[in-house]
Amino acid sequence: DVKVTQSSRYLVKRTGEKVFLECVQDMDHENMFWYRQDPGLGLRLIYFSYDVKMKEKGDIPEGYSVSREKKERFSLILESASTNQTSMYLCASDRGRGNEKLFFGSGTQLSVL
Amino acid sequence: GDSVTQMEGPVTLSEEAFLTINCTYTATGYPSLFWYVQYPGEGLQLLLKATKADDKGSNKGFEATYRKETTSFHLEKGSVQVSDSAVYFCALRSGANSKLTFGKGITLSVRP
Repeated sequence: DVKVTQSSRYLVKRTGEKVFLECVQDMDHENMFWYRQDPGLGLRLIYFSYDVKMKEKGDIPEGYSVSREKKERFSLILESASTNQTSMYLCASDRGRGNEKLFFGSGTQLSVL
Repeated sequence: GDSVTQMEGPVTLSEEAFLTINCTYTATGYPSLFWYVQYPGEGLQLLLKATKADDKGSNKGFEATYRKETTSFHLEKGSVQVSDSAVYFCALRSGANSKLTFGKGITLSVRP
């Protein structure tokens, strides 16, 4: 089975801190995605990547950046965390061949105080 | 742009009740349609999908039919169980390397 692993289940940070959320997939998937999930808003795409060193902005990229130096790893970076970035962050991946399903990690609940 | 609209929730049903969760979409081209489910404390997982008009996706007793004429993909189950309590998301995808666009999700609670 495909495994998408997010490094932390819960994370508490202070306003202004630089935050790294890590995601690793073990099935050689081409595409990787970062979503945030908020009550009443569903899932919103922050960034995605089709290949190593490639990145594309999603619907809400402001305040975030990403890094994909290796195919299996996709990092989400909050340059200066703010309280409105308190959310559940979900990483996902797929093979990139047609309309494939996404495989999701279990999520990281980030609280910014 | 692409969008997905789900009925408002939450929904509370008794065990063995019939379930319908409405989903309509707007998309350019011919998207694939998905239902994802999120059980408490877990990430999302695919429940079912349909890739072209009139296709029916089914899994674990759930069904949804891709209706191009009404741009809908409603989720149904004839008899829900307590274990079906979860958040359900309708989603669409318009191409191989395109993003997955989600609806807002709906929470289903099934009581014994």
